[in-house]
Amino acid sequence: ILNVEQSPQSLHVQEGDSTNFTCSFPSSNFYALHWYRWETAKSPEALFVMTLNGDEKKKGRISATLNTKEGYSYLYIKGSQPEDSATYLCAFSGYSTLTFGKGTMLLVSP
Amino acid sequence: DVKVTQSSRYLVKRTGEKVFLECVQDMDHENMFWYRQDPGLGLRLIYFSYDVKMKEKGDIPEGYSVSREKKERFSLILESASTNQTSMYLCASSQGRVRLSGANVLTFGAGSRLTVL
Repeated sequence: ILNVEQSPQSLHVQEGDSTNFTCSFPSSNFYALHWYRWETAKSPEALFVMTLNGDEKKKGRISATLNTKEGYSYLYIKGSQPEDSATYLCAFSGYSTLTFGKGTMLLVSP
Repeated sequence: DVKVTQSSRYLVKRTGEKVFLECVQDMDHENMFWYRQDPGLGLRLIYFSYDVKMKEKGDIPEGYSVSREKKERFSLILESASTNQTSMYLCASSQGRVRLSGANVLTFGAGSRLTVL
């Protein structure tokens, strides 16, 4: 079973703060790295899928970077809002199925 | 706008009961997955299927079986439920004609929270 680590485990910030999370994964046999957002009582929804070393993706105030050689990805949220409160999951693929990290739980207070 | 539908949001069953969790997707996706989510453990893959009547074990298949008789439907079966199967179960689907593609986005259902007493 592959080891996908996410840090921090949880984070509590104030509205307007910028924040970032880390996902570490095996640097060998890399195929893709996914980020999902999972809000309470809802389905996890995809944020980004990255496949190339150096990839950077952006969606509104959220962006992600990928370093496949050293095996990590960062997720950034600029100017956090209460609606950003969710668990953020990363998942590593070595071609077929995804291995998920345990997630980072973000709470944004007004 | 619902794309992946799980039949039951909450279930309470007794130890030893046979439990069926149903999942239906309307996106014509080839691949379907069953995960369970437990506190501190993250999402773990139970079984997946890349075609009708095809199934493959994930990381934690023990105590579970699956059925995929139609492309849109993937069922998770607990033959004899046990208390350690109390969990949140998530179904997901993705497209991909070449068996599986790890770059394809998963679309998840809303989850089924199972409690086994």
